Amino acid sequence: EPEVTQTPSHQVTQMGQEVILRCVPISNHLYFYWYRQILGQKVEFLVSFYNNEISEKSEIFDDQFSVERPDGSNFTLKIRSTKLEDSAMYFCASRVIFRYEQYFGPGTRLTVT
Amino acid sequence: DQQVKQNSPSLSVQEGRISILNCDYTNSMFDYFLWYKKYPAEGPTFLISISSIKDKNEDGRFTVFLNKSAKHLSLHIVPSQPGDSAVYFCAAKSTGNQFYFGTGTSLTVIP
Repeated sequence: EPEVTQTPSHQVTQMGQEVILRCVPISNHLYFYWYRQILGQKVEFLVSFYNNEISEKSEIFDDQFSVERPDGSNFTLKIRSTKLEDSAMYFCASRVIFRYEQYFGPGTRLTVT
Repeated sequence: DQQVKQNSPSLSVQEGRISILNCDYTNSMFDYFLWYKKYPAEGPTFLISISSIKDKNEDGRFTVFLNKSAKHLSLHIVPSQPGDSAVYFCAAKSTGNQFYFGTGTSLTVIP
């Protein structure tokens, strides 16, 4: 069964460094998402992406964040200058056009020290 | 900004009995609702959904009920099985392409 994959599974970085989290959505899916979950808290929407552009973004998704689909398969989230409070689990998700259920990857645990 | 709330952080149920997980929302513009199940070290997995034009949707042991006037939805699992033990998230879609998740309810099904 097709699945969303994410790399790396765990990323440790120093405050102020740039990180790129990578995702490979399911191949026939056209909507892509990034979410984060701070330990013990809710899953928070960051951004949605469709037709090679951002369709919606939350207040969390400020200028430090960017997304890209550099080729036909990868979907990346870049954090330019990480802060301690960026430490969280980051989930990528994708879905087809006419159904709203999203398929999530296993997540990348980002630890900012 | 808690547009979707799950007020019970945890729930324990005996195997074979019914599990009822609840979710409340504040935004009347939400037009689609979903339940996800999450095991540790995995991403959420879609379980069942319901459109705002319906009040019930059933899929095997899982039934979701929507009460729009109360802005409340619930997930019923019957009979509950030990493999159902997980964290359950409700989620709501705005009229755009943004989804709001609750904080989750940890369900433990006791054998």
